[in-house]
Amino acid sequence: EVQLVESGGGLVQPGRSLKLSCVASGFTFSNYGMNWIRQAPGKGLEWVAYISSGSSYIYYAETVKGRFTISRDNAKNTLYLQMTSLRSEDTALYYCAREYYGLPAFDYWGQGVMVTVSS
Amino acid sequence: DIQMTQSPASLSASLGETVTIECRASEDIYSNLAWYQQKPGNSPQLLIYDANSLADGVPSRFSGSGSGTQYSLKINSLQSEDVASYFCQQYNNYPYTFGAGTKLELK
Repeated sequence: EVQLVESGGGLVQPGRSLKLSCVASGFTFSNYGMNWIRQAPGKGLEWVAYISSGSSYIYYAETVKGRFTISRDNAKNTLYLQMTSLRSEDTALYYCAREYYGLPAFDYWGQGVMVTVSS
Repeated sequence: DIQMTQSPASLSASLGETVTIECRASEDIYSNLAWYQQKPGNSPQLLIYDANSLADGVPSRFSGSGSGTQYSLKINSLQSEDVASYFCQQYNNYPYTFGAGTKLELK
């Protein structure tokens, strides 16, 4: 069974940093591109970042470029999102999501981890 | 960025009814479109990819169509378990963008 389990969220002050993790199981993690997608409370979905299976290709939304860094450790089946210079507008539920057979549609999502940026 | 305009924002329908949700892209996205269902408190679930292909395990009452800038999701014979929010997503260009969502309720 495919599982994606996020962790690392919490309450953080503006300007501080936080690192999210997503542990994958039930599939060959190193074969899949992975994404971070977020959803502010009561709002829609916003794609945040993508990393290819071998980390050769990385893309970011403009809203996080220069502040967030996506990475992965295929040996540990883990995806990361390092978030720095956090702002109140980064408050959201952060999902990791797997691409669907090489397409940038997302077939498996984690349960999400909440990040709250507030003083 | 490609803007995805989804309509209606909310929809009320009866069991057994056919429901259609629309999504318009601000430019041609060449059928690089997915649809998702999100039930309250749950993560989104992929329904449709490449505008009209059914994802694994999705009931056949769901279908997608469209091309260019105009796309739609149709739900035939609405079931109670279809009560959810639905989102479209384009993946023709980075950044990938989503529609604002359609909240489907039972009448």
